[in-house]
Amino acid sequence: DGGITQSPKYLFRKEGQNVTLSCEQNLNHDAMYWYRQDPGQGLRLIYYSQIVNDFQKGDIAEGYSVSREKKESFPLTVTSAQKNPTAFYLCASSRQQGALRYGYTFGSGTRLTVV
Amino acid sequence: QKEVEQNSGPLSVPEGAIASLNCTYSDRGSQSFFWYRQYSGKSPELIMFIYSNGDKEDGRFTAQLNKASQYVSLLIRDSQPSDSATYLCAATKRNALNFGKGTSLLVTP
Repeated sequence: DGGITQSPKYLFRKEGQNVTLSCEQNLNHDAMYWYRQDPGQGLRLIYYSQIVNDFQKGDIAEGYSVSREKKESFPLTVTSAQKNPTAFYLCASSRQQGALRYGYTFGSGTRLTVV
Repeated sequence: QKEVEQNSGPLSVPEGAIASLNCTYSDRGSQSFFWYRQYSGKSPELIMFIYSNGDKEDGRFTAQLNKASQYVSLLIRDSQPSDSATYLCAATKRNALNFGKGTSLLVTP
């Protein structure tokens, strides 16, 4: 079955540590996205990529980095510069053809907690 | 001004009633609009999308779009307790989706 796999499901980060969240899709979608969800805040866009080896900053990119070396993979690194990283992180993908007429498919999310 | 606005609720309706969820957006360049359902602790799942003025029906769900008023709504007929969730409205912004904060719906037996 096609879908998006995020791992790990739960992640704990110590102060000053970088951590990487994995996102893999086998839907053959061109575009991939990372969002952060905080209670009462809705989903906020961190980074997105429409094609391999290219990505754009979203609304809250500071303290995060991404790469897109393969079509299937879009990992997100939460760096030590991100001062409040505790949140639910969601990866999504969409078909590039027809742009966003059909919306996103979401992964199951990674819950990151600073300890 | 928040680009996509929703009443946070909770909206409480009795089982079998019609639930009406509303959303307004500020960017007139938005072309397509989406409703996602999100259960607590889970990721959002797509319910409906609409990009033409008027109504679009799919089973118990009807999405309505009025671009002149910059207004999107979702009607859920014959509401069931399993419909209790947070409903997220989203609008296209450049090459991504802009989400509202969501409306919490509670369907009481």
